[in-house]
Amino acid sequence: DSGVTQTPKHLITATGQRVTLRCSPRSGDLSVYWYQQSLDQGLQFLIQYYNGEERAKGNILERFSAQQFPDLHSELNLSSLELGDSALYFCASSAGPSSSGNTIYFGEGSWLTVV
Amino acid sequence: LAKTTQPISMDSYEGQEVNITCSHNNIATNDYITWYQQFPSQGPRFIIQGYKTKVTNEVASLFIPADRKSSTLSLPRVSLSDTAVYYCLVVPTGRSNDYKLSFGAGTTVTVRA
Repeated sequence: DSGVTQTPKHLITATGQRVTLRCSPRSGDLSVYWYQQSLDQGLQFLIQYYNGEERAKGNILERFSAQQFPDLHSELNLSSLELGDSALYFCASSAGPSSSGNTIYFGEGSWLTVV
Repeated sequence: LAKTTQPISMDSYEGQEVNITCSHNNIATNDYITWYQQFPSQGPRFIIQGYKTKVTNEVASLFIPADRKSSTLSLPRVSLSDTAVYYCLVVPTGRSNDYKLSFGAGTTVTVRA
C-alpha cells in the first residue's frame, strides 16, 4: 500500500460525458501528479500540483483539468469524453515540490472506460 | 534531459538472476538513476536508486560503472511474482526545477516456472 488513495477504482461512462477522478496523497506529501496509461501510449505525465498550485504540465488535453484543494487532495476532471480517453489514470504524490530528488508514490489507479 | 534505452522484453525462469541494462549516454553530473517496477493494472513502485558504484536493498541491486553511461538492475533469484515492467529513469537532483518524471516503454520481464 503506497498510501495514495484514488477513487473510483472503475468507471464506465458514455462519450460526451464528464467525470471526476479523486486522489488523496500520502500523509504529509504536498505534491500530486496525474498520469494517464493506455495500451498504446504507455505512461504519460499529465500535470503536477504542489501545495495547491500548478507546478508542471505535460501532455494534458484542454478537455482535461485538475486542481489541488487546501486539504491537498486533488481532482482530475475529464470532459467531452471520447473513446480514446479510455485508460488507467494514476495519481502519485511526493513530499517535495519537484519529482527530481523525490521518490514519488503511485496509487492503484482509476480505470476509465468510455463507451 | 538524459534519454534512456533499455530492452523491450526479457524472459527468465524461476530461481534465475535477471539483469536489465539501461543505457543513458547523456547523463548529467547531478542525475541519479532510478528504477520503478509496475505490475499489471497497478501503479509503478519505486525499487532502487543510485548515483555510482553499487546499491543494494532487499529487492534488487543496482550496478553503475564509473562512467555512469549505463546501469544494470539485478533481480536475484526471481519468482513468478517478479513478472512486471521495469522502468529505468534518469532523474535530476539538486535543483527544484519543473522536472516532469517521464516513463519510457520499460522492460517487460516475464518469469516462467
